[in-house]
Formats: sequence, structure tokens, C-alpha cells
Amino acid sequence: GENVEQHPSTLSVQEGDSAVIKCTYSDSASNYFPWYKQELGKRPQLIIDIRSNVGEKKDQRIAVTLNKTAKHFSLHITETQPEDSAVYFCAGGKSSGSARQLTFGSGTQLTVLP
Amino acid sequence: DTEVTQTPKHLVMGMTNKKSLKCEQHMGHRAMYWYKQKAKKPPELMFVYSYEKLSINESVPSRFSPECPNSSLLNLHLHALQPEDSALYLCASSQDLDSSSSGNTIYFGEGSWLTVV
Repeated sequence: GENVEQHPSTLSVQEGDSAVIKCTYSDSASNYFPWYKQELGKRPQLIIDIRSNVGEKKDQRIAVTLNKTAKHFSLHITETQPEDSAVYFCAGGKSSGSARQLTFGSGTQLTVLP
Repeated sequence: DTEVTQTPKHLVMGMTNKKSLKCEQHMGHRAMYWYKQKAKKPPELMFVYSYEKLSINESVPSRFSPECPNSSLLNLHLHALQPEDSALYLCASSQDLDSSSSGNTIYFGEGSWLTVV
């Protein structure tokens, strides 16, 4: 099955700096890569996603890059703010009939220091 | 409306009890999921329903029994659980992948916090 590895497990940055979180996946059949933000006691919320036919996607301060050959993808957050502090999960997904089968990375605790 | 509703939000049950977690979505999504999440860990897939049929069971113990009464509802029946089953149980849904690119997005409910005593 799919194995998604995520690094680093913890990341502290100063407010205004950039943060980068990296993930690798093992299953070449995976073709969908979402990133979720989870605040303490809350549900995971999708912040950005990318499909395997695209190399990069950007949404305001958040961007994701995908290297299919190397099987890795990264989340970039620029101009970080204290409200960006949360646990971030990457995931690799593939089709299962009409459903998505997601395997999550282990998570990164991001702390933005004011 | 991108809402997946789960009840109850909190549940405490004994090891001999039978209880159920409920999930509802009215987005017309045809895939529904149960995930289990322990503290400081990622969500782990338990079950996937596609068009009301069970398509994936990730070797979940039989003390967890899913049920999909219709396309909007998903239940998780709990019986003879162990204390190590205490966790956040997340329901999620997604649109039919074949319909549009938005079928990629999996929407999570707020979760049901389960404590087994």
C-alpha cells in the first residue's frame, strides 16, 4: 500500500518568515495530494491540493509543488502569521471506485512565533 | 454548503455497551468515509463507502460495524470496545470522482470524541 513520509515533525518560524514542509510517497498510482490544517480539537481542513498532472499550484500565501519523478511534494507558506500555527498533514490519494483512498503523513506541528 | 455533520460530539461508553456514531451530509456526495484519529497522530482510514456499498475495509476489528442506510447517512456501530479504541472518529465525504475535478476534495466532519472506560 501507500506510504507517505512527512518532515519535519516540528517547525518553528518567526512571524513573517516562510515555512516549508516536505512529503514523499511510495505508490506511483497516487495522483492526488491534498494538504490539511488541523487546529487543536478541530477537524482537518483542506488548505490546498494538487493533482498529478500539475507541477505547482498557488493560493495567496500558500503554494504546493509536486515532483512526480522523485515522488515528493512540498507545502510552502510565505509571510507566516500566528494563526498559521497548527498541525499540517500531507496526504497521497488514489482512486478506489468512485471514492478517494487517502494515506496521511505523520504531521508537522508548525509554530509561528510573534 | 460543505457541511458534514456528526453526532454525538462526545461519547463515553463502557466496554460492554453498544452505541452508534452518526454522520450526515447533504452535498450529494456518493463516497463516505470513517477515519480514526489518536492524539498527535494522523487520521487512519477505517472504511470507505462508494455509492452506498462498502468498498474498503482496512482490516478493522469486527467490534466496529459500519452501515450506510442511504446516500446521505453513514453510521458506525460500536460493540465491546476496548480502552485503546478511545479516539476521535472522523466522518468524511467526497463527490463522485467521475463527475468533476471537485470530486477530489474530501470534506471532514467535526468528529466524535469517543472514550471507552
